[in-house]
Amino acid sequence: AQSVAQPEDQVNVAEGNPLTVKCTYSVSGNPYLFWYVQYPNRGLQFLLKYITGDNLVKGSYGFEAEFNKSQTSFHLKKPSALVSDSALYFCAVIGAGSYQLTFGKGTKLSVIP
Amino acid sequence: NAGVTQTPKFRVLKTGQSMTLLCAQDMNHEYMYWYRQDPGMGLRLIHYSVGEGTTAKGEVPDGYNVSRLKKQNFLLGLESAAPSQTSVYFCASSLRVPTGELFFGEGSRLTVL
Repeated sequence: AQSVAQPEDQVNVAEGNPLTVKCTYSVSGNPYLFWYVQYPNRGLQFLLKYITGDNLVKGSYGFEAEFNKSQTSFHLKKPSALVSDSALYFCAVIGAGSYQLTFGKGTKLSVIP
Repeated sequence: NAGVTQTPKFRVLKTGQSMTLLCAQDMNHEYMYWYRQDPGMGLRLIHYSVGEGTTAKGEVPDGYNVSRLKKQNFLLGLESAAPSQTSVYFCASSLRVPTGELFFGEGSRLTVL
């Protein structure tokens, strides 16, 4: 079975400071990892993904994520947070041969002006 | 560029009533999914389809049925609604699995009284 843990329900960060949203996963075989963002009353939007290759993945809106196989982690990062980054962030994993993407419970990011 | 369209956006049902949620995508995607989102639970997969005429159960399929008669449409049915099915339902589609990202609809908010 595959699973995702997002240990923080909420992350608060001051505007201009770096932000990190944590994610760890469990899956058989090689993982395919994704981050999505959800703004209020909207559907989820794709931010970035790790499939293979470089452990540092760059995505939309200046976000990046670092894949760490030994720690089974895929933390989302941004060097300088914006108020407009405030949203709900979901990490997701799918294993090779699976059709089902499993999501974490989500982390609410609040960027304080 | 419509993407993934869900109808209706809002619905209130009484316990025991039935209804169908419609999902339509115009991206010629093979893979389609129905998720439900509940506070603190993240997104949980109800049913999915890997192509026209095929459906499969996800993590929480009980009380729901689905059909994929046309490639572009994926219907989610509730035969006898229960208050536990009060939720926000999201449809998503993907071009390829497991490496492709999901494209989500805007959601359908269902309340069962």
